Amino acid sequence: QSALTQPASVSGSPGQSITISCTGTSSDVGGYNYVSWYQQHPGKAPKLMIYNVSKRPSGVSNRFSGSKSGNTASLTISGLQAEDEADYYCNSYISTGTVVFGGGTKLTVL
Amino acid sequence: EVQLVESGGGLVQPGGSLRLSCAASGFTLSNDWMHWVRQAPGKGLVWVSRINSDGSSTSYADSVKGRFTISRDNAKNTVYLQMNSLRGEDTAVYYCARADPRVVAINSPDYWGQGTLVTVSS
Repeated sequence: QSALTQPASVSGSPGQSITISCTGTSSDVGGYNYVSWYQQHPGKAPKLMIYNVSKRPSGVSNRFSGSKSGNTASLTISGLQAEDEADYYCNSYISTGTVVFGGGTKLTVL
Repeated sequence: EVQLVESGGGLVQPGGSLRLSCAASGFTLSNDWMHWVRQAPGKGLVWVSRINSDGSSTSYADSVKGRFTISRDNAKNTVYLQMNSLRGEDTAVYYCARADPRVVAINSPDYWGQGTLVTVSS
Protein backbone atom coordinates (compact mmCIF):
# COMPACT_ATOMS: atom_id res chain seq x y z
CA GLN A 1 0.00 0.00 0.00
CA SER A 2 2.54 2.61 -1.07
CA ALA A 3 1.17 6.12 -1.40
CA LEU A 4 0.49 7.40 -4.87
CA THR A 5 3.08 9.89 -6.09
CA GLN A 6 2.12 13.55 -6.45
CA PRO A 7 4.31 16.63 -6.86
CA ALA A 8 4.78 18.41 -3.56
CA SER A 9 3.77 21.76 -4.96
CA VAL A 10 2.50 23.50 -8.06
CA SER A 11 1.72 27.13 -8.72
CA GLY A 12 -0.01 29.31 -11.24
CA SER A 13 -1.33 32.79 -11.78
CA PRO A 14 -5.01 33.71 -11.75
CA GLY A 15 -6.67 32.76 -15.02
CA GLN A 16 -4.03 30.20 -15.93
CA SER A 17 -4.42 26.42 -16.02
CA ILE A 18 -2.45 23.96 -13.95
CA THR A 19 -2.22 20.18 -13.90
CA ILE A 20 -1.44 17.95 -10.94
CA SER A 21 -0.25 14.42 -11.64
CA CYS A 22 -0.84 11.29 -9.59
CA THR A 23 1.30 8.27 -10.42
CA GLY A 24 0.62 4.75 -9.25
CA THR A 25 0.91 1.26 -10.65
CA SER A 26 -1.12 -1.22 -12.64
CA SER A 27 -2.54 -2.47 -9.32
CA ASP A 28 -4.18 0.83 -8.51
CA VAL A 29 -4.38 3.86 -10.82
CA GLY A 30 -3.68 1.89 -13.97
CA GLY A 31 -5.91 -1.02 -13.15
CA TYR A 32 -9.20 0.71 -12.35
CA ASN A 33 -11.18 3.78 -13.29
CA TYR A 34 -11.55 4.52 -9.60
CA VAL A 35 -9.35 7.59 -9.21
CA SER A 36 -10.68 10.47 -7.13
CA TRP A 37 -9.40 13.95 -6.32
CA TYR A 38 -9.93 15.94 -3.15
CA GLN A 39 -9.42 19.61 -2.27
CA GLN A 40 -8.56 20.52 1.31
CA HIS A 41 -8.31 24.01 2.71
CA PRO A 42 -6.40 24.52 5.99
CA GLY A 43 -8.34 23.30 8.99
CA LYS A 44 -11.16 21.95 6.85
CA ALA A 45 -12.36 18.51 5.87
CA PRO A 46 -11.51 17.30 2.37
CA LYS A 47 -13.97 18.00 -0.45
CA LEU A 48 -14.54 15.57 -3.31
CA MET A 49 -13.80 17.25 -6.64
CA ILE A 50 -13.51 14.33 -9.09
CA TYR A 51 -14.42 10.63 -8.95
CA ASN A 52 -14.20 7.75 -11.42
CA VAL A 53 -11.25 9.54 -13.07
CA SER A 54 -13.26 12.32 -14.67
CA LYS A 55 -16.73 12.69 -13.13
CA ARG A 56 -17.63 15.81 -11.16
CA PRO A 57 -20.00 15.67 -8.20
CA SER A 58 -22.94 18.02 -8.29
CA GLY A 59 -21.89 21.55 -7.41
CA VAL A 60 -18.23 21.26 -8.38
CA SER A 61 -17.10 23.83 -10.91
CA ASN A 62 -16.45 22.64 -14.46
CA ARG A 63 -13.08 24.36 -14.19
CA PHE A 64 -11.98 21.12 -12.54
CA SER A 65 -11.39 18.13 -14.80
CA GLY A 66 -9.74 14.74 -14.49
CA SER A 67 -8.08 12.30 -16.84
CA LYS A 68 -5.89 9.21 -16.84
CA SER A 69 -3.24 7.69 -19.05
CA GLY A 70 -1.72 4.39 -18.06
CA ASN A 71 -0.63 4.51 -14.43
CA THR A 72 -0.87 8.29 -14.14
CA ALA A 73 -3.98 10.32 -13.41
CA SER A 74 -4.19 14.08 -13.70
CA LEU A 75 -6.29 16.88 -12.28
CA THR A 76 -6.51 20.05 -14.33
CA ILE A 77 -7.79 23.33 -12.97
CA SER A 78 -8.51 25.94 -15.58
CA GLY A 79 -9.12 29.65 -15.02
CA LEU A 80 -7.28 29.57 -11.69
CA GLN A 81 -8.89 31.57 -8.92
CA ALA A 82 -7.55 32.65 -5.55
CA GLU A 83 -9.93 30.29 -3.75
CA ASP A 84 -8.41 27.32 -5.56
CA GLU A 85 -5.33 27.68 -3.36
CA ALA A 86 -5.42 24.52 -1.25
CA ASP A 87 -3.96 21.05 -0.87
CA TYR A 88 -5.04 18.46 -3.41
CA TYR A 89 -5.02 14.70 -2.94
CA CYS A 90 -5.67 11.87 -5.34
CA ASN A 91 -6.87 8.46 -4.28
CA SER A 92 -7.39 5.12 -5.94
CA TYR A 93 -9.00 1.81 -5.29
CA ILE A 94 -6.44 -1.02 -5.08
CA SER A 95 -6.69 -4.62 -6.22
CA THR A 96 -6.57 -5.79 -2.60
CA GLY A 97 -9.88 -4.06 -1.91
CA THR A 98 -8.29 -1.18 -0.09
CA VAL A 99 -7.79 2.47 -0.92
CA VAL A 100 -4.63 4.58 -1.14
CA PHE A 101 -4.12 8.34 -1.17
CA GLY A 102 -1.39 10.34 -2.79
CA GLY A 103 1.01 12.37 -0.69
CA GLY A 104 -0.75 15.61 -1.56
CA THR A 105 0.08 18.68 -3.64
CA LYS A 106 0.05 22.24 -2.38
CA LEU A 107 -1.37 24.59 -4.98
CA THR A 108 -0.28 28.19 -4.72
CA VAL A 109 -2.10 30.87 -6.70
CA LEU A 110 0.46 33.58 -7.34
CA GLU B 1 -28.69 18.92 6.64
CA VAL B 2 -26.37 15.98 6.04
CA GLN B 3 -23.89 15.66 8.88
CA LEU B 4 -21.31 13.20 10.10
CA VAL B 5 -20.11 13.82 13.64
CA GLU B 6 -17.10 11.99 15.02
CA SER B 7 -16.48 11.55 18.73
CA GLY B 8 -14.31 9.56 21.08
CA GLY B 9 -10.94 11.10 20.38
CA GLY B 10 -8.56 12.22 23.07
CA LEU B 11 -5.25 11.58 24.77
CA VAL B 12 -4.24 7.97 25.31
CA GLN B 13 -1.00 6.31 26.38
CA PRO B 14 0.94 4.06 24.02
CA GLY B 15 -0.52 0.59 24.10
CA GLY B 16 -3.92 1.92 25.06
CA SER B 17 -7.29 1.73 23.32
CA LEU B 18 -9.94 4.12 22.07
CA ARG B 19 -13.23 3.69 20.29
CA LEU B 20 -14.23 6.35 17.81
CA SER B 21 -17.85 6.85 16.82
CA CYS B 22 -19.28 8.50 13.73
CA ALA B 23 -22.95 9.44 13.97
CA ALA B 24 -24.92 10.41 10.90
CA SER B 25 -27.75 12.91 10.90
CA GLY B 26 -29.97 14.16 8.10
CA PHE B 27 -29.65 10.88 6.21
CA THR B 28 -29.52 7.16 6.81
CA LEU B 29 -26.16 5.55 6.15
CA SER B 30 -27.51 2.05 5.63
CA ASN B 31 -26.77 2.23 1.88
CA ASP B 32 -23.34 3.77 2.28
CA TRP B 33 -19.81 2.44 2.34
CA MET B 34 -18.10 4.14 5.26
CA HIS B 35 -14.44 5.04 5.54
CA TRP B 36 -12.06 6.23 8.20
CA VAL B 37 -9.23 8.45 7.01
CA ARG B 38 -6.58 10.03 9.23
CA GLN B 39 -4.29 13.01 8.97
CA ALA B 40 -1.30 13.50 11.23
CA PRO B 41 -0.55 17.13 12.15
CA GLY B 42 0.85 18.91 9.12
CA LYS B 43 0.78 15.74 7.02
CA GLY B 44 -1.31 14.26 4.25
CA LEU B 45 -4.43 12.13 4.18
CA VAL B 46 -4.01 8.44 4.92
CA TRP B 47 -6.76 5.92 4.36
CA VAL B 48 -7.36 3.69 7.39
CA SER B 49 -10.34 1.41 6.86
CA ARG B 50 -13.68 0.91 5.15
CA ILE B 51 -16.84 -1.11 5.65
CA ASN B 52 -19.54 -1.93 3.16
CA SER B 53 -23.19 -1.05 3.61
CA ASP B 54 -24.30 -4.12 5.56
CA GLY B 55 -21.06 -4.67 7.44
CA SER B 56 -20.23 -7.95 5.74
CA SER B 57 -16.98 -6.70 4.19
CA THR B 58 -14.16 -4.69 5.72
CA SER B 59 -10.66 -3.63 4.68
CA TYR B 60 -7.73 -2.06 6.49
CA ALA B 61 -4.49 -0.32 5.75
CA ASP B 62 -1.48 -2.51 6.50
CA SER B 63 -0.38 -0.07 9.21
CA VAL B 64 -3.48 -0.75 11.33
CA LYS B 65 -4.41 -4.31 10.35
CA GLY B 66 -4.80 -6.48 13.43
CA ARG B 67 -5.03 -3.47 15.75
CA PHE B 68 -8.07 -1.54 14.47
CA THR B 69 -11.59 -2.85 13.85
CA ILE B 70 -14.29 -1.04 11.92
CA SER B 71 -17.95 -1.83 12.56
CA ARG B 72 -21.36 -0.30 12.10
CA ASP B 73 -24.81 -0.26 13.63
CA ASN B 74 -27.25 0.80 10.95
CA ALA B 75 -30.10 0.90 13.46
CA LYS B 76 -28.15 3.58 15.34
CA ASN B 77 -26.94 5.25 12.14
CA THR B 78 -23.42 5.01 13.51
CA VAL B 79 -20.04 3.67 12.48
CA TYR B 80 -17.23 2.81 14.87
CA LEU B 81 -13.48 2.40 14.84
CA GLN B 82 -12.05 0.36 17.70
CA MET B 83 -8.37 1.17 18.05
CA ASN B 84 -6.15 -1.09 20.17
CA SER B 85 -2.41 -1.22 20.83
CA LEU B 86 -2.10 2.44 19.93
CA ARG B 87 1.28 3.87 18.94
CA GLY B 88 2.68 7.36 18.68
CA GLU B 89 2.41 7.20 14.90
CA ASP B 90 -1.37 6.78 15.23
CA THR B 91 -1.60 10.38 16.43
CA ALA B 92 -3.84 12.17 13.94
CA VAL B 93 -7.19 13.72 13.21
CA TYR B 94 -9.51 10.87 12.29
CA TYR B 95 -12.22 11.60 9.75
CA CYS B 96 -15.18 9.42 8.95
CA ALA B 97 -16.62 9.74 5.48
CA ARG B 98 -19.42 8.16 3.48
CA ALA B 99 -19.60 6.93 -0.11
CA ASP B 100 -23.07 6.25 -1.47
CA PRO B 101 -22.48 3.72 -4.29
CA ARG B 102 -25.66 4.95 -5.99
CA VAL B 103 -23.99 8.35 -6.43
CA VAL B 104 -20.19 8.01 -6.32
CA ALA B 105 -17.58 5.27 -6.48
CA ILE B 106 -17.02 3.25 -3.33
CA ASN B 107 -13.51 4.69 -2.90
CA SER B 108 -14.76 8.27 -3.24
CA PRO B 109 -16.49 9.42 -0.08
CA ASP B 110 -18.34 12.65 -0.74
CA TYR B 111 -19.42 13.60 2.77
CA TRP B 112 -16.89 13.96 5.55
CA GLY B 113 -17.11 14.74 9.22
CA GLN B 114 -15.00 17.44 10.81
CA GLY B 115 -12.70 14.93 12.44
CA THR B 116 -11.70 13.96 15.96
CA LEU B 117 -8.16 14.27 17.27
CA VAL B 118 -6.42 11.22 18.70
CA THR B 119 -3.17 11.85 20.53
CA VAL B 120 -1.03 8.91 21.60
CA SER B 121 1.54 10.00 24.13
CA SER B 122 2.83 9.17 27.58
